[in-house]
Amino acid sequence: QLQLQESGPGLVKPSVTLSLTCTVSGGSISSSNYYWGWIRQPPGKGLEWIASIYYSGSTYYNPSLENRVTISVDTSKNQFSLELRSVSAADTAVYYCAGSDGAILNFDYWGQGTLVTVSS
Amino acid sequence: DIQMTQSPSSLSASVGDRVTITCRASQSISRDLNWYQQKPGKAPKVLIHDVSSLQSGVPSRFSGSGSGTDFTLTISSLQPEDFATYYCQQSYTTPPTFGPGTKVDI
Repeated sequence: QLQLQESGPGLVKPSVTLSLTCTVSGGSISSSNYYWGWIRQPPGKGLEWIASIYYSGSTYYNPSLENRVTISVDTSKNQFSLELRSVSAADTAVYYCAGSDGAILNFDYWGQGTLVTVSS
Repeated sequence: DIQMTQSPSSLSASVGDRVTITCRASQSISRDLNWYQQKPGKAPKVLIHDVSSLQSGVPSRFSGSGSGTDFTLTISSLQPEDFATYYCQQSYTTPPTFGPGTKVDI
């Protein structure tokens, strides 16, 4: 059973780049079965897909964030990462990493989530 | 983007009740519709994928139906652990989008 764990800063200042990492255990990030992604949820609000990646490096971005986001994978560490540039208070949210088993736009496995607050 | 709507936005129910939640897509999404359950402070958990396929380990009191633009999630007999917020999500095309959620409480 796959397990995912997010890591990163809980507080970032406006205009900086937010970097988050998801560590995958219980399976290989290089498996052809899986896609990996990031989803966020502002406090008290709904879910927004940010980006997804396949181990080969193929990437998929939400057009609403595409100009500020980079998703990448590090197969040597069994991790994938998210960078979100020029953050503002509107980027305050719980960030979840997720994995899908065969279908890129399904989200079968979720990390516990990490709250990122953007504030000076 | 495909817009997803849900109704009702919240509902009050009792243990043993039959509960139905509706999800509508702004355009046809075939059968590419998933349902998630989220409890406070926890990550969403997938219940159903592709309209009606129950995820492994999910109780059979959960069921889904629909196609095209209109879908439903039914809980046949509500249990105490089912009080949560439920989201639908279309996996038909990027960006995948979620409904606003339906909160089920007592």
